[in-house]
Amino acid sequence: QKEVEQNSGPLSVPEGAIASLNCTYSDRGSQSFFWYRQYSGKSPELIMSIYSNGDKEDGRFTAQLNKASQYVSLLIRDSQPSDSATYLCAVRNGANNLFFGTGTRLTVIP
Amino acid sequence: GAVVSQHPSRVICKSGTSVKIECRSLDFQATTMFWYRQFPKKSLMLMATSNEGSKATYEQGVEKDKFLINHASLTLSTLTVTSAHPEDSSFYICSAREAAGAGYTFGSGTRLTVV
Repeated sequence: QKEVEQNSGPLSVPEGAIASLNCTYSDRGSQSFFWYRQYSGKSPELIMSIYSNGDKEDGRFTAQLNKASQYVSLLIRDSQPSDSATYLCAVRNGANNLFFGTGTRLTVIP
Repeated sequence: GAVVSQHPSRVICKSGTSVKIECRSLDFQATTMFWYRQFPKKSLMLMATSNEGSKATYEQGVEKDKFLINHASLTLSTLTVTSAHPEDSSFYICSAREAAGAGYTFGSGTRLTVV
């Protein structure tokens, strides 16, 4: 079983819609969860981090964490074409290593 | 904010030669640095974790004699790909963490092409 799993997509949403990205993880001891955005050929950039159950909002982005279900998600409201990228879910496991999911490719259609 | 400088950004080398990639934390001391490899359209895969002054811890399946990691100071870690082969062509990214529990800062990545 992989440490972190994501639906690879591609996920296409129209401009202005809500994009929903999902991620599950295997290590129940994980304490820190991150969403990164990666444009093609570029290094990942951190969008959100979340450490406790519930929702965390930052601008158009909302991260949701459910430790009981080992599930973390990212919602992007009012999606823009510039949001088109690959979104990587990352989880810091009990051994303090950061593992990435395979990423979900998002395309926002103007 | 924290900045990690990685270079070279691109390198082309011949099979059998060695290539060194540097990763520097510019405004903080990185007690731990991580090296990742990413193949096209694939996720980042952790290769090794290095703590300053200690031997690196390699992930399963990563050859430590082929991918030499040195973390001799709190601001510099290097990855040397020895006797490179075309299958080593990939995007290599480092990240650094100031202390346990701190955030991770990524370098800009190095595109290695072995011909």
